[in-house]
Amino acid sequence: DAGVTQSPTHLIKTRGQQVTLRCSPKSGHDTVSWYQQALGQGPQFIFQYYEEEERQRGNFPDRFSGHQFPNYSSELNVNALLLGDSALYLCASSSWSSGFYEQYFGPGTRLTVT
Amino acid sequence: AQSVTQLDSHVSVSEGTPVLLRCNYSSSYSPSLFWYVQHPNKGLQLLLKYTSAATLVKGINGFEAEFKKSETSFHLTKPSAHMSDAAEYFCVVTLYNNNDMRFGAGTRLTVKP
Repeated sequence: DAGVTQSPTHLIKTRGQQVTLRCSPKSGHDTVSWYQQALGQGPQFIFQYYEEEERQRGNFPDRFSGHQFPNYSSELNVNALLLGDSALYLCASSSWSSGFYEQYFGPGTRLTVT
Repeated sequence: AQSVTQLDSHVSVSEGTPVLLRCNYSSSYSPSLFWYVQHPNKGLQLLLKYTSAATLVKGINGFEAEFKKSETSFHLTKPSAHMSDAAEYFCVVTLYNNNDMRFGAGTRLTVKP
């Protein structure tokens, strides 16, 4: 059983560009959450998707947007990239019915903005 | 709003000695608390969770944590450290049915031979 997968593993972008990160949840999970982990810090909650809708959002600007597809996979989009967006982006999946705290994390996508 | 403070950014122990990673939380309501471990280039792995059941929680790999409401603490312990325990550990708090998980800044555990 594949766990949470993320792509790409690494990404280098230029300031001002746009980026899309992808996440496939663990089999049987229907909820996807995204986190940003800056170097030397703990992950920060960006938002969560369930039934193709954003259910909750952390303190991130509108430049951060997302999408969930009918197969429960998800994308994170970041527009107008800033140097400060350089971080490890983590995706976590869970089952809405069994409780959000049973979250399984993917290995992350390392985004570098130059 | 809920938050956690991990009292040590770095802890170093010798293999075979006890491990103590400290976490204090702040929450207006009954919190759910977790410990996650992050090995280099690997995803976060749940060690254990407290969700208002037994205050002493046992997790994987011999780790356990005790919820102490009077001290607003949720310290992580292990009787005997192993080299494979070297990693970054995160304490996390959230409100029941609240999907916003608040992570601490992390504690890096080093295990010396």
